[in-house]
Amino acid sequence: DIVLTQSPANLAESPGDRVTLSCRTSQSVSNNLAWYQQKPGQAPRLLIYGASTGATGIPARFSGSGSGTEFTLTIISLQSEDVGVYYCQQYNNWPLTFGGGTKVELK
Amino acid sequence: QVQLQESGPGLVKPSETLSLTCSVSGYSISTNFYWGWIRQSPGKGLEWIASMFHRGNTHYNPAFQSRVTISVDTSKNQLSLTLRSVTAADTAIYYCVKVLTSYDPGNWGQGILVTVSS
Repeated sequence: DIVLTQSPANLAESPGDRVTLSCRTSQSVSNNLAWYQQKPGQAPRLLIYGASTGATGIPARFSGSGSGTEFTLTIISLQSEDVGVYYCQQYNNWPLTFGGGTKVELK
Repeated sequence: QVQLQESGPGLVKPSETLSLTCSVSGYSISTNFYWGWIRQSPGKGLEWIASMFHRGNTHYNPAFQSRVTISVDTSKNQLSLTLRSVTAADTAIYYCVKVLTSYDPGNWGQGILVTVSS
């Protein structure tokens, strides 16, 4: 199985700050990597797929990059509504696997 | 617009079988894509369970393979999950999904909370 390691596990930044989340995979997944945001009591919301393609309706402040085994989700200017847990997922190989998540809070 | 709606019992007794159904609207599951189930235990991360292509190709998470069956009913446009011999560790929110691909973002249902308790 492909293991996804997300870092950091937790982060707290001030509104307006640039935030960078990392996802590393144990073997290459090409660009078949997605990012989700989850808020308490809600289903995960797709932000990015294909490593860098924004999902419909996602604010432009969210961007994804990377390929192979190293991926990054960047929030250009953190907003209060961006608080939540962020997960990466690979869909290059079965079984599909998720990272353990990064919890984003406001400082 | 593709919509997925999970249904099933909210409470299952230990050692019994959990059965869930996902009703799909806005897209015929017999057309394309893998469809599947993902779960999230309370306070934990996301765990993929199984996926099935409408033509019958199935993939199971090895952690569940001996206990789980996924099936589709194309006449009803529904997806089903059966998980046998449940324990308290199977308490989770179960999500029905249209699996994303390199060219399609997929879709998620709102999820259904299933509690395993006597």
